[in-house]
Amino acid sequence: QLQLQESGSRLVKPSQTLSLTCAVSGGSISSGGYSWSWIRQPPGKGLEWTGYISDSGSTYYNPSLKSRVTISVDRSKNQFSLKLSSVTAADTAVYYCARGIDAHNIGAFDIWGQGTMVTVSS
Amino acid sequence: EIVLTQSPGTLSLSPGERATLSCRASQIFRSSYLAWYQEKPGQAPRLLIYATSSRATGIPDRFSGSGSGTDFTLTISRLEPEDFAMYYCQQYGDSPPWTFGPGTKVEI
Repeated sequence: QLQLQESGSRLVKPSQTLSLTCAVSGGSISSGGYSWSWIRQPPGKGLEWTGYISDSGSTYYNPSLKSRVTISVDRSKNQFSLKLSSVTAADTAVYYCARGIDAHNIGAFDIWGQGTMVTVSS
Repeated sequence: EIVLTQSPGTLSLSPGERATLSCRASQIFRSSYLAWYQEKPGQAPRLLIYATSSRATGIPDRFSGSGSGTDFTLTISRLEPEDFAMYYCQQYGDSPPWTFGPGTKVEI
């Protein structure tokens, strides 16, 4: 079955760029017309959708982050990535990658990575 | 941005009881694009319901979703011990941003 696994920097200094990758295994990132999202959860708080990349490569970002966030896909490596620039302590969170369940419900996330805690601190 | 409000904040029940969780949106959004997730400590959220009332794969039929307009409900017909957790609603109906509610904690 399809699985997602986040990896990347766990500690990022303020003003630097957070970079995470989500490796897709058990299936192809290019099949099925799925979309691929990043969601984050600050410690003790709720969930915040960050952005997604569609099967066609189109991207949509949360306006609260739009100027700082980039999501891209590397189909040859079967993975997609998140970059968040100019980070502050407010960006400290568990970051999840997730898949939209189908082409009509791209914003309902049926498969999630285990999550990776990223701390912004000097 | 559509703001979701969940009530109650905490629901204290016993195994075997019925749980009714509410989610209210600040405005109407594209029809029925409402999801519910269950979250347990240290785990990723688990999709229970999407498109307001469709159960995700492997979700027991004691979980059901309903609603329309701005008011939506997740019902757990008979609570099992493993159902005590945090529950989030989420809308994905209109143009992003998709938003989550603050959550309802179901506790014993």
